Amino acid sequence: QQQVKQSPQSLIVQKGGISIINCAYENTAFDYFPWYQQFPGKGPALLIAIRPDVSEKKEGRFTISFNKSAKQFSLHIMDSQPGDSATYFCAGGSGGYQKVTFGIGTKLQVIP
Amino acid sequence: ETGVTQTPRHLVMGMTNKKSLKCEQHLGHNAMYWYKQSAKKPLELMFVYNFKEQTENNSVPSRFSPECPNSSHLFLHLHTLQPEDSALYLCASSPDNHGTYEQYFGPGTRLTVT
Repeated sequence: QQQVKQSPQSLIVQKGGISIINCAYENTAFDYFPWYQQFPGKGPALLIAIRPDVSEKKEGRFTISFNKSAKQFSLHIMDSQPGDSATYFCAGGSGGYQKVTFGIGTKLQVIP
Repeated sequence: ETGVTQTPRHLVMGMTNKKSLKCEQHLGHNAMYWYKQSAKKPLELMFVYNFKEQTENNSVPSRFSPECPNSSHLFLHLHTLQPEDSALYLCASSPDNHGTYEQYFGPGTRLTVT
């Protein structure tokens, strides 16, 4: 059972454009929603995260939008740059310790 | 060294071999994890250790055997693997087990089973 559904699996965006990645979750026990960024040859690294008590969180060019009633959240990358080309994973976290369920990942390519 | 390191970075082994993956974290964290990353699949959590005690085994086959001798080191012992076990194995660590979910990942070991 895929508890976090992520789309699209691949995305090509022009430099300067907006990249949008969507996720939907099923487990209402999730209380933490991080996004991880992974470059080739590296492990994933936390990019930005949100708790379900807020609807939006912005850090620089990266924004998470969260819709609790729809059980959906999305990552927006404004003014996308070639250096943003990476694989992005959404995830949901729950439980008294750190059990995180990841989406399938989105490979983003930003072309000049 | 800083962060989370993993050795070896690449490993090719036959189905009858025995090998071990090593992970070391230099962050003073108390929780450590093994994940399996395969193409077109979400990251699969395999094992979780908190303060050296295993707190999660996500129905992993017994041919994978974890060991956590202390909070800084984590091993994954491999024996009689199958070709479908070929994947990137990621180690991660995190500060504690009280609701802070940020995990710090190592670069992974690319495992190929022939």
